[in-house]
Amino acid sequence: DAKTTQPNSMESNEEEPVHLPCNHSTISGTDYIHWYRQLPSQGPEYVIHGLTSNVNNRMASLAIAEDRKSSTLILHRATLRDAAVYYCILYWVNTDKLIFGTGTRLQVFP
Amino acid sequence: DAGITQSPRYKITETGRQVTLMCHQTWSHSYMFWYRQDLGHGLRLIYYSAAADITDKGEVPDGYVVSRSKTENFPLTLESATRSQTSVYFCASRPDRVREQYFGPGTRLTVT
Repeated sequence: DAKTTQPNSMESNEEEPVHLPCNHSTISGTDYIHWYRQLPSQGPEYVIHGLTSNVNNRMASLAIAEDRKSSTLILHRATLRDAAVYYCILYWVNTDKLIFGTGTRLQVFP
Repeated sequence: DAGITQSPRYKITETGRQVTLMCHQTWSHSYMFWYRQDLGHGLRLIYYSAAADITDKGEVPDGYVVSRSKTENFPLTLESATRSQTSVYFCASRPDRVREQYFGPGTRLTVT
């Protein structure tokens, strides 16, 4: 299974944009890029996913590099409730497995 | 709308005991999954199921048994608990043709 690399931690101030990077240099053509987040003492929560094009939803935006070897999750205005561990995951369409890494712990300061 | 629930939420057991963790979903999702989460690791897949009576191993299946006689339930059994199975266990589900998984609140299991 292809792997992802994320920074261990990042910090942001409330109401500022946050860009969470993810490197996936071994991505294959059929791998989707998924992002989940895990708030303290809760199960992971789906955030967004994409294949090649940038994606937007009510929670976040996903920017995918043209060569697909990296991607960035964008939170447009961080809130205190966005403090969580964010996981970038490559999901091959022919498997049903999410292979989690250790993620990025995002701290948001008021 | 209960969604996906896990029981118990907390469990302490002794080495060698059999323990069953329950997972129930009200959405009639085809797929269900069991993960464990340990400090320093992300979540690791233990077992998954594509439908009732269909199960398959994940990354770390040793020491665990699953069954799925009904679509809505996916119990995970530790036949003889060991200290290394102390962990937080998450159940998840997803519908067919959709890749997003929906996770339960977790069960914190301590094996003494």
